[in-house]
Amino acid sequence: DQQVKQNSPSLSVQEGRISILNCDYTNSMFDYFLWYKKYPAEGPTFLISISSIKDKNEDGRFTVFLNKSAKHLSLHIVPSQPGDSAVYFCAASGVGGGSNYKLTFGKGTLLTVNP
Amino acid sequence: SQTIHQWPATLVQPVGSPLSLECTVEGTSNPNLYWYRQAAGRGLQLLFYSVGIGQISSEVPQNLSASRPQDRQFILSSKKLLLSDSGFYLCACARAGAFEQYFGPGTRLTVT
Repeated sequence: DQQVKQNSPSLSVQEGRISILNCDYTNSMFDYFLWYKKYPAEGPTFLISISSIKDKNEDGRFTVFLNKSAKHLSLHIVPSQPGDSAVYFCAASGVGGGSNYKLTFGKGTLLTVNP
Repeated sequence: SQTIHQWPATLVQPVGSPLSLECTVEGTSNPNLYWYRQAAGRGLQLLFYSVGIGQISSEVPQNLSASRPQDRQFILSSKKLLLSDSGFYLCACARAGAFEQYFGPGTRLTVT
């Protein structure tokens, strides 16, 4: 039972264009969402997060949008750079339900930014 | 900011041998600690988490165990490894009450 879904295993974009990575969730108890970036053979790096009280959070080239009614979030990277090529994981959590701040991860989307 | 150390970086072990992976954290006190596994081509699976010394919660019944002998030390163990234990093992920490988890560099375990 996948509670966090990243339906696109891979995405390829041109350098300088926008990358849009999507994530859907099913558990209505989730109220905090995060994006991580992972290079091969390294640990994931935290990128950006958003609380369910917001619908947008921006940090430099990275913006996360949250649509609670659709249970959908997306990560926008503008402009995309070759160094952004990595696997991006969406994660979700919530204080309620005894979650103890555990994160539930999606399976990841491999982003390739072509020069 | 916290720093997470994991060792070894890579490990090749025969089936049936024991395992001990260690994770230590610097730069924070009383963190929440987590062990994850990423199998080939898969996402991150939470194995264990700990909110304090000696407090371990298991997420997936399996051939592994975890211990937290000190505030900033988290150990993943097995008495007898299986082929299915192969994978990339990641330790993570978070400040108590925070959602953001920060990951160590990982250990690549190959069971032969």
